[in-house]
Order: sequence, then structure tokens, then C-alpha cells
Amino acid sequence: GEDVEQSLFLSVREGDSSVINCTYTDSSSTYLYWYKQEPGAGLQLLTYIFSNMDMKQDQRLTVLLNKKDKHLSLRIADTQTGDSAIYFCAVRGSGGGADGLTFGKGTHLIIQP
Amino acid sequence: NAGVTQTPKFRILKIGQSMTLQCAQDMNHNYMYWYRQDPGMGLKLIYYSVGAGITDKGEVPNGYNVSRSTTEDFPLRLELAAPSQTSVYFCASSSGRGEAFFGQGTRLTVV
Repeated sequence: GEDVEQSLFLSVREGDSSVINCTYTDSSSTYLYWYKQEPGAGLQLLTYIFSNMDMKQDQRLTVLLNKKDKHLSLRIADTQTGDSAIYFCAVRGSGGGADGLTFGKGTHLIIQP
Repeated sequence: NAGVTQTPKFRILKIGQSMTLQCAQDMNHNYMYWYRQDPGMGLKLIYYSVGAGITDKGEVPNGYNVSRSTTEDFPLRLELAAPSQTSVYFCASSSGRGEAFFGQGTRLTVV
């Protein structure tokens, strides 16, 4: 089945850009997602990209997709303390909505003052 | 803007007890899902449904049951609770065309 890999931790200084990376194995993946989870909270959908796109920008967030290398990244510009959270990469397969999402284990984003 | 609503938020069960985790969505989504999240892990799919009356197993279905009698509701049933079912449970829904929304989760402890 699908496998999604992420680094477990990323530490950045406040005001710098954060880049969180994700790799996946299923080349027929259709939608790719980034979710944010704060301590004790649910998953907040940050953004998603369709597999025929290379890039999507939404305010401070930029998603880049390299379909050839099966690599997805999330860039957060001007990182703030409120961005401290776990960020999950998730991938939907080619089965439409029927097969759910496959998640990575999450990247803990740590903000240094 | 209710979205996906899960109840209860917290629950402590004794080994062997049963309970139902409730999930409701008001977005008229056909697809609904139950995931569990264990510490340091991503989310694992327990069961999913593609519409009322249709359910299927995900990656980790053992010890759970579901039903989908309406589009809005997708309850998850634990029949004989075991310590291995201590986890955070998330319900999600999707139109199938992109966005997938999650509830706030149910923290379950089995002692």
C-alpha cells in the first residue's frame, strides 16, 4: 500500500521560513494534503493540491509538488510562534474518496525565539 | 459552521465494556472515515463509508464495528474494550473531490 514519510522534527527561528518535506510511494495519488495539529486538538486542513499541479500558494503557505520524485513540501513564510504544531502530510489514492487518506507520522515544528 | 462533530470528547472505559463513538457531519458528504491516532504515529484508517448503507474495513478494523444508516451519521462501536484500543479517535468526511475535514477527536482510555 501507500507509504508516506516525513521527518519527525524541524526547528526554525521565528521570522525565518520553514520547509516541511514529505515523500510518498504511490504515483497514482490524486490529492495531497497538509494538516496542522496543535496539542490536544484535532486536525486542521491547511491546504491541499491536486496531482496535476506543481505549486499552490495561499498567503504564507506555499505547497510544491514534484510528481516525478513523489515529493511534496510545505513552506511557511515568516514563521511565528503560533505555527508551532505537528504538521501531517496525507495522500489520497486513485480510488476517489473511497480509500481514505494515508498519513505520514507528522513533523513537529519547533520555533526558536 | 458545525462541520464534523464528534462526541464524547473524552472517555474512560474498563476492559470489556462497550461504547459508541458518535460522528455527525452537516456538509452532505458521501464519504466518511474513522481513524485512530497513537502517540508518535500518523493516523490509521479503521473503517470508511462511501454512502448510506455502505461500509468497508480500513487498515486496522479489528475490535470495531460501524454502521451508516444516514448520510450525516457514522458511529463507531467498540464491543469489548481492550487496553490496545486506548487512542485518540478521529472522524472525517469528504466530498471525494478534494477537501477532507476532521472532527476534534475523542480521547479514549481503556483501563
